[in-house]
Amino acid sequence: EAQLVESGGGLVQPGGSLRLSCAASGFTFSFYTMNWVRQAPGKGLEWVSNIVSSSGAINYADSVKGRFTISRDNAKNSLYLQMNSLRVEDTAVYYCARGGREVDFWGQGTLVTVSS
Amino acid sequence: QSVLTEPPSVSAAPGQKVTISCSGSSSNFGNHYVSWYQHLPGTAPKLLIYDNNKRPSGIPDRFSGSKSGTSATLGITGLQTGDEADYYCATWDSSLSVYVFGTGTKVTVL
Repeated sequence: EAQLVESGGGLVQPGGSLRLSCAASGFTFSFYTMNWVRQAPGKGLEWVSNIVSSSGAINYADSVKGRFTISRDNAKNSLYLQMNSLRVEDTAVYYCARGGREVDFWGQGTLVTVSS
Repeated sequence: QSVLTEPPSVSAAPGQKVTISCSGSSSNFGNHYVSWYQHLPGTAPKLLIYDNNKRPSGIPDRFSGSKSGTSATLGITGLQTGDEADYYCATWDSSLSVYVFGTGTKVTVL
């Protein structure tokens, strides 16, 4: 059974950094495009970034471009999101999610709170 | 601000039908397939519809999707209390090179 487990969330001050991890199991991780999607309190879903399985191509939402870096380690079946220069508006539940054309499987999410 | 627009809320009595519209543009719906997601607060979102109108295994046929031009529609028949959730359309946007979610629609079962 497929499983995605996020970790690394927590409380950080504005301007700080945090690294999220996502451990995948139950499927061939290297075959899939992987995403980070977030939901701020009281807001809708917002796609953050993805990394394509085949080409390694990477895409970012404008709201995080230049501050966040997505990466993956296929040997460890893991996805990462390095978040720098964090802002209050980055406060959200961050979901690790599998898929390219459609996102067919999601983790339970990890909460990131940016506050002084 | 999302480039895909959905109504903020829809409601109906148990057993009835609701439809949720999603309006996009040629740079997203014009060239790409649409997916629909169900999200209950505090849980992982769930894929309901992919490739405009296909249902993943385990999704009942009460849920249906369609796309025409630059708009898409999700239909839910035989509404149940367990269907109360937020629903999002989504697709890739070629001009922005991003995956975009709709603004989201809250479904209420009266």
